[in-house]
Amino acid sequence: DAGITQSPRHKVTETGTPVTLRCHQTENHRYMYWYRQDPGHGLRLIHYSYGVKDTDKGEVSDGYSVSRSKTEDFLLTLESATSSQTSVYFCAISDERAGDGYTFGSGTRLTVV
Amino acid sequence: GENVEQHPSTLSVQEGDSAVIKCTYSDSASNYFPWYKQELGKRPQLIIDIRSNVGEKKDQRIAVTLNKTAKHFSLHITETQPEDSAVYFCAASIREMRFGAGTRLTVKP
Repeated sequence: DAGITQSPRHKVTETGTPVTLRCHQTENHRYMYWYRQDPGHGLRLIHYSYGVKDTDKGEVSDGYSVSRSKTEDFLLTLESATSSQTSVYFCAISDERAGDGYTFGSGTRLTVV
Repeated sequence: GENVEQHPSTLSVQEGDSAVIKCTYSDSASNYFPWYKQELGKRPQLIIDIRSNVGEKKDQRIAVTLNKTAKHFSLHITETQPEDSAVYFCAASIREMRFGAGTRLTVKP
């Protein structure tokens, strides 16, 4: 289904704990992105990757880190989760950097209590 | 960086009427403008897109127009149906995509 999967789909974690979300693609697309979705804010870019080991910050990167050791996997880590990071996280992939629509994963609903 | 504003935030129409959602962008270098539809609990899905060298594009009941001079673009849905009810997002990109805050469209039978 769309060649992109996210795991886990749902997670509840405690404040101060580390959390890692995984995005896996089978499309061999070069570009991968992490967005968070919050009411009234649409989709905001956290980090993105333009190849293995090549990543960069988006507009809301504080408190998040990413890694991409293989083309197919893009990991998002919350080093020490806070309640403000409660959100729905979407991974997206594209074959071009601009001028190409994104394909989104199904999302991860993260709740930090 | 790019800033995208989207209006209205909510829109309610009667089945069969038209719906129009408008977006403005800040960076004149943006060259790609997609629209996404997100049904409740689902992922955003691309429904139509337009590039900066095109002024209008149609796909059945949906159309998008782009005014580069004014830096705004719009989504038009004609003959709306209840299944058009969803949240719609516009986006603009030079490199990474920036999204508007979304419009919740409700089509009343």
